[in-house]
Amino acid sequence: DAGITQSPRHKVTETGTPVTLRCHQTENHRYMYWYRQDPGHGLRLIHYSYGVKDTDKGEVSDGYSVSRSKTEDFLLTLESATSSQTSVYFCAISDTGAWGYTFGSGTRLTVV
Amino acid sequence: QKEVEQDPGPLSVPEGAIVSLNCTYSNSAFQYFMWYRQYSRKGPELLMYTYSSGNKEDGRFTAQVDKSSKYISLFIRDSQPSDSATYLCALTSGAGSYQLTFGKGTKLSVIP
Repeated sequence: DAGITQSPRHKVTETGTPVTLRCHQTENHRYMYWYRQDPGHGLRLIHYSYGVKDTDKGEVSDGYSVSRSKTEDFLLTLESATSSQTSVYFCAISDTGAWGYTFGSGTRLTVV
Repeated sequence: QKEVEQDPGPLSVPEGAIVSLNCTYSNSAFQYFMWYRQYSRKGPELLMYTYSSGNKEDGRFTAQVDKSSKYISLFIRDSQPSDSATYLCALTSGAGSYQLTFGKGTKLSVIP
């Protein structure tokens, strides 16, 4: 997927546990994004980053935090997982922004 | 009113048919328009992008933008079973962090 890797691909976790998803890029793109995709809601922005240590909230940021200590890595942490956070999580990267993103393959997270 | 409206379908057509997929939007600040294709259990991939009103053609695909009506379309000619996927429109103003606003996607099935 054009130099973007998400890990893990699948995860099952218990309610109340912290979970960290990783997005790694080899494209040296400035912008990185975390989305969740749910039936009936489409893609919703959780957090995004516009540079190392520069992050901001998206539409559905409650219960999530992010960190970007290196250009290539963008981490999404669910501080205390809940069943409502069961979803497919996509990372995306962008250099020029206006001409679209490149998405990773997604992480399918199930919170039981 | 949602910023971007897209009929979720599902849409089922016979092979060889012309397919029309549409989105309407309410924010006149949107200046860049994209279509993504998403196969089942995969990340979205950029299919087409355009900036201005009018048509843009790429093989069997034509993207059409009517800024005065705030209406965008994707036409697929001679549809193939391999076109079966979910199609998402995405829009951005092109400013700042280049956040994309996505439609919820239309699921298309092309029947052989």
